[in-house]
Amino acid sequence: DGGITQSPKYLFRKEGQNVTLSCEQNLNHDAMYWYRQDPGQGLRLIYYSQIVNDFQKGDIAEGYSVSREKKESFPLTVTSAQKNPTAFYLCASQEGGAGANVLTFGAGSRLTVL
Amino acid sequence: AQRVTQPEKLLSVFKGAPVELKCNYSYSGSPELFWYVQYSRQRLQLLLRHISRESIKGFTADLNKGETSFHLKKPFAQEEDSAMYYCALSAYGQNFVFGPGTRLSVLP
Repeated sequence: DGGITQSPKYLFRKEGQNVTLSCEQNLNHDAMYWYRQDPGQGLRLIYYSQIVNDFQKGDIAEGYSVSREKKESFPLTVTSAQKNPTAFYLCASQEGGAGANVLTFGAGSRLTVL
Repeated sequence: AQRVTQPEKLLSVFKGAPVELKCNYSYSGSPELFWYVQYSRQRLQLLLRHISRESIKGFTADLNKGETSFHLKKPFAQEEDSAMYYCALSAYGQNFVFGPGTRLSVLP
């Protein structure tokens, strides 16, 4: 069963701690994305990666970091530098090629900073 | 810069009534427009895209380049249509831009 798996589903963090959210896909998609979803603000792009070993900052990258060592995996680290980390985080992947311009989303991870 | 606006945060209609969720965009070129939907406790998923010119679950959306709009319409709303709807734009070689979303509530 192909798809995107995000873990953990819920995560609690104390202030000052870094936390890493996992995103794995078995769709053989080239591009992967991390979005932050806040009420009334839609989805805001944090980081994206078009190919392995390459990634770019999105609109709200400050306080976040990513890696793309494998095509299937695109973990997101929320660092202590992120001022307001409590949010719902969505990972997505995109098939390459013309006409395939559609995002497939994971179920999301909800991070709460205590 | 690309931008997508959805003027209504919340839209409530009665079952069987027509529904229109508004979406306007700003982009000077020829973008591709999408509607994504998130039902309660489900993943965000594609509802429809303008190049497909399909009707999905009774919903249609027409791209109006003159008014830079991509409104989502359904003639008779159903309770199962209650969800969060996001309009999104993608320009060639660039990333997706999402609107703030409209929560549709279909009342019995």
